Amino acid sequence: GIQVEQSPPDLILQEGANSTLRCNFSDSVNNLQWFHQNPWGQLINLFYIPSGTKQNGRLSATTVATERYSLLYISSSQTTDSGVYFCAVGDTDKLIFGTGTRLQVFP
Amino acid sequence: DGGITQSPKYLFRKEGQNVTLSCEQNLNHDAMYWYRQDPGQGLRLIYYSQIVNDFQKGDIAEGYSVSREKKESFPLTVTSAQKNPTAFYLCASSITGTYGYTFGSGTRLTVV
Repeated sequence: GIQVEQSPPDLILQEGANSTLRCNFSDSVNNLQWFHQNPWGQLINLFYIPSGTKQNGRLSATTVATERYSLLYISSSQTTDSGVYFCAVGDTDKLIFGTGTRLQVFP
Repeated sequence: DGGITQSPKYLFRKEGQNVTLSCEQNLNHDAMYWYRQDPGQGLRLIYYSQIVNDFQKGDIAEGYSVSREKKESFPLTVTSAQKNPTAFYLCASSITGTYGYTFGSGTRLTVV
């Protein structure tokens, strides 16, 4: 099956800093999504981005499907950005998740 | 408001007991999924169902069972055969053929 790897596994930032999270996947995919899991466990979809670039406020994402990677950019980070960020790719009829990047933002 | 509800939020089980986690959705989604999350790890797929009365095993189905008798409901039973059941369990639903998942808020199961 498809393998999904994320880096870095942990990231500690001070408020206001920028960061880049990476997702590598082992096979061609027609679906790639980024999720944020808050400290209480709730998962929220951030982007559906099988290719190209999208932006939503301070967050943006880029997927280069031909090179099998995606990047999530967080600018001017805030304490509310803390949590775990997951990349997930579509495999036939289900999503396969990476192991996540745990982000901690301190004031 | 439409959504997906998991209950209970916290569950404690004695070793050797079966326990059932509830997942209900009112989004009219055909597909439902169960994932397991261990500390510091990603989500691993346990079971999923694309339609009523049908379901498929995911990557870690051993020690678990499910049923899908109604479109709205997809309960997960953690059996005594599951050797390491302590984990956070997440249920999700989607329209079949799409990947627009909606997640529940999860059930944290602890074996005592």
